[in-house]
Amino acid sequence: DIQMTQSPSSLSASVGDRVTITCQASQDISNHLNWYQQRQGQAPKLLIYDASYLETGVPSRFSGSGSGTDFTFTISSLQPEDFATYFCQQYDNIAVIFTFGPGTKVDLK
Amino acid sequence: QVTLRESGPALVKLTETLTLTCTLSGLSLKNNRLCVSWLRQPPGKALEWLAVIDWDEDKNYNRSLKTRLTISMDTSKNQVVLTMTNMDPVDTATYYCARTESGLRWFESWGPGTLVTVSS
Repeated sequence: DIQMTQSPSSLSASVGDRVTITCQASQDISNHLNWYQQRQGQAPKLLIYDASYLETGVPSRFSGSGSGTDFTFTISSLQPEDFATYFCQQYDNIAVIFTFGPGTKVDLK
Repeated sequence: QVTLRESGPALVKLTETLTLTCTLSGLSLKNNRLCVSWLRQPPGKALEWLAVIDWDEDKNYNRSLKTRLTISMDTSKNQVVLTMTNMDPVDTATYYCARTESGLRWFESWGPGTLVTVSS
């Protein structure tokens, strides 16, 4: 099975900072990679799908890139509402397998 | 716009069977060709996908849990039901249902989740 890793596991940042999170797959997953935001006590929310496409209604300060095994998620200018945990998720829609990364917690410096 | 809400027991005992219900509002499972997944998240841990069912009642399961899971739908009530047998304390988690993109690639919207604790 494909394993997903994320780094860092946590980071501290200030409002206005640029934040970058990486996600690595144990084998080539093409662009089959999505990113979610989960605020404390809430359900996850889809932000980016297929590695780089912004979900409707999501602010443009969020972006994603990458393909194959290495992916990057960026918040260009951190806002107060962005303090949350971010998860990557890979999919194999032929075998129907979904796997999440362990998450990256972004908190206030 | 579809909304989802999970319901079920907050507490189950070791070896019992858990039954959770996901009720959809705003769109019809059948008429709108929806797919619904169940996922879970142990406290402080990562998300784990459990199962998915589509409007045609095709089903897929997490291979490591397949023997314990059953997903079904009740179209008259616009509900998706998950049963998990032989519950153990390691199954303590928040359980979510989520509308799943029809190509089975991502989870478009989620219910608020329901915390299930398994007591020994």
